[in-house]
Amino acid sequence: DGGITQSPKYLFRKEGQNVTLSCEQNLNHDAMYWYRQDPGQGLRLIYYSQIVNDFQKGDIAEGYSVSREKKESFPLTVTSAQKNPTAFYLCASSALGLADGYEQYFGPGTRLTVT
Amino acid sequence: AQSVSQHNHHVILSEAASLELGCNYSYGGTVNLFWYVQYPGQHLQLLLKYFSGDPLVKGIKGFEAEFIKSKFSFNLRKPSVQWSDTAEYFCAVNANTNAGKSTFGDGTTLTVKP
Repeated sequence: DGGITQSPKYLFRKEGQNVTLSCEQNLNHDAMYWYRQDPGQGLRLIYYSQIVNDFQKGDIAEGYSVSREKKESFPLTVTSAQKNPTAFYLCASSALGLADGYEQYFGPGTRLTVT
Repeated sequence: AQSVSQHNHHVILSEAASLELGCNYSYGGTVNLFWYVQYPGQHLQLLLKYFSGDPLVKGIKGFEAEFIKSKFSFNLRKPSVQWSDTAEYFCAVNANTNAGKSTFGDGTTLTVKP
């Protein structure tokens, strides 16, 4: 059963701690993405990667870091530098051919609460 | 830079009413357009997409959208909504020259009253 898994579903951390969110896909997609979803603000792109060992900043990359050591995995670290980390985080992937317009497939999300 | 504007933040309809959700984008080149839907407690998933061919596209559950290039619009329609259509709807655009990097609108929450 192909898809994207994100873990954990809920995550609680104390302010000042770094936290890493997991994202794994078995769709054999080249591209992977991290979004942040806040009420009334849609999805905002944090980072994306089109190939292993390469990634680019999205619109709101400050306070976040990523790695892409394997095609299947794209973990996101929320650092203590992120001023407002409490949010719902979505991971997505897509193929990179033009055949389907880069349709994105989404994971179930991780809700991070920092207190 | 590309941007997406969804005109309605919250829409409330009764069952059997017709639905139209507005979406406008700004980008001068060739684009791919999407509507994604997030049902309560479920993953964000594709509703329909346009990337070439007939500008009137049909998606799942009776939804359709029309790409009007001259108006930079991709409005979502359904002639008769059901209670199960209650969800959040997102319009998104990406450009062929910016492979895969999509811009999403702020979303429209649709509530259908039984």
